[in-house]
Amino acid sequence: AQSVAQPEDQVNVAEGNPLTVKCTYSVSGNPYLFWYVQYPNRGLQFLLKYITGDNLVKGSYGFEAEFNKSQTSFHLKKPSALVSDSALYFCAVRDYGNNRLAFGKGNQVVVIP
Amino acid sequence: ETGVTQSPTHLIKTRGQQVTLRCSSQSGHNTVSWYQQALGQGPQFIFQYYREEENGRGNFPPRFSGLQFPNYSSELNVNALELDDSALYLCASSQRTGDTGELFFGEGSRLTVL
Repeated sequence: AQSVAQPEDQVNVAEGNPLTVKCTYSVSGNPYLFWYVQYPNRGLQFLLKYITGDNLVKGSYGFEAEFNKSQTSFHLKKPSALVSDSALYFCAVRDYGNNRLAFGKGNQVVVIP
Repeated sequence: ETGVTQSPTHLIKTRGQQVTLRCSSQSGHNTVSWYQQALGQGPQFIFQYYREEENGRGNFPPRFSGLQFPNYSSELNVNALELDDSALYLCASSQRTGDTGELFFGEGSRLTVL
């Protein structure tokens, strides 16, 4: 079964510093990987995805993520964090031929002014 | 382009009651998925509908059921509500043109069971 692990409950970072949110995955075949962000009392907003091709994927709002097959990781990164980036971030994986997303438990990101 | 809309946004029920949640998919999308997000957890897949038929189901009991209509909108029905059903219920739509497309989520319906 497909699964995702997000090992940290909360990530604190100073405004302007680099932000990294970690994600590792487990699938039986080729993974389709996604990052979503959730603001308080809101639904999930799509940030970026990896399907195939370049291991470095660029997405919305200056976010990017690096796919590492050997480490089964898909870490989310942003070179310079903004206070408005404070939110809950979810990593998700879908196995080829499977129609459902498996989400991690989420990481709360707090950007300190 | 109209996004995914869900109703109601909030509702309170008591144990044993039944609830119906509604979802209108994004324009051009023919597939609807439902997820349950309990407090402090990631979303959990309930089921997916495509062409008005259930197309995959997660680990949820039969009292969770759904419908999809010809206009691709969808309903989630939960019978015999339990306290643990309290959660944010998220609807997501997508185009069934392969497995690579991302899901587009609505704002959710927050259900509280007392």
